[in-house]
Amino acid sequence: DAKTTQPTSMDCAEGRAANLPCNHSTISGNEYVYWYRQIHSQGPQYIIHGLKNNETNEMASLIITEDRKSSTLILPHATLRDTAVYYCIVRVGSWGKLQFGAGTQVVVTP
Amino acid sequence: DTGVSQDPRHKITKRGQNVTFRCDPISEHNRLYWYRQTLGQGPEFLTYFQNEAQLEKSRLLSDRFSAERPKGSFSTLEIQRTEQGDSAMYLCASSLRTRDEQFFGPGTRLTVL
Repeated sequence: DAKTTQPTSMDCAEGRAANLPCNHSTISGNEYVYWYRQIHSQGPQYIIHGLKNNETNEMASLIITEDRKSSTLILPHATLRDTAVYYCIVRVGSWGKLQFGAGTQVVVTP
Repeated sequence: DTGVSQDPRHKITKRGQNVTFRCDPISEHNRLYWYRQTLGQGPEFLTYFQNEAQLEKSRLLSDRFSAERPKGSFSTLEIQRTEQGDSAMYLCASSLRTRDEQFFGPGTRLTVL
């Protein structure tokens, strides 16, 4: 599976949009981009995934560049409860093991 | 609460002892995963089951580790002759075969003294 690169940390003001970047320059055509997050002392939580097209659900939006070498997770209106480590993962197919990196620690401040 | 439960939530043991953890997945989920997470790192994959069949094991899963899912429902992870390096959070996740959004349990935190 392709490796991903994410910033170590970022801050976001409550109520503002949080834009979390992820680079996956070696991604293959059959690899999906997944985002999970992990709130302190909890297990990871699925957020969203996509292959080529942009995706949106009740939690977030996923923007994938046309060349698929990078993506951005957008939390439209960050709340204090969005403070967590966010993981960008790419993998072949839509099932199987997840390979987590170190993720991005997002801190939402009042 | 995701519907995935793990027991115990915390375990303190002495080096050399055996420990066993249990995971109860969401009832209709036929895939079950085990991961290990150490402080400051993302979870690392250990093994996964589809129904009762263990389909993949990580090289991290040494001979001291064994996992079972005897009836395709709950799963157990046993660590024999624990070492201090086994101290970690052990996470279980489950998913449907047709939609692999993995639902994680709260984890079992193991401390080996």
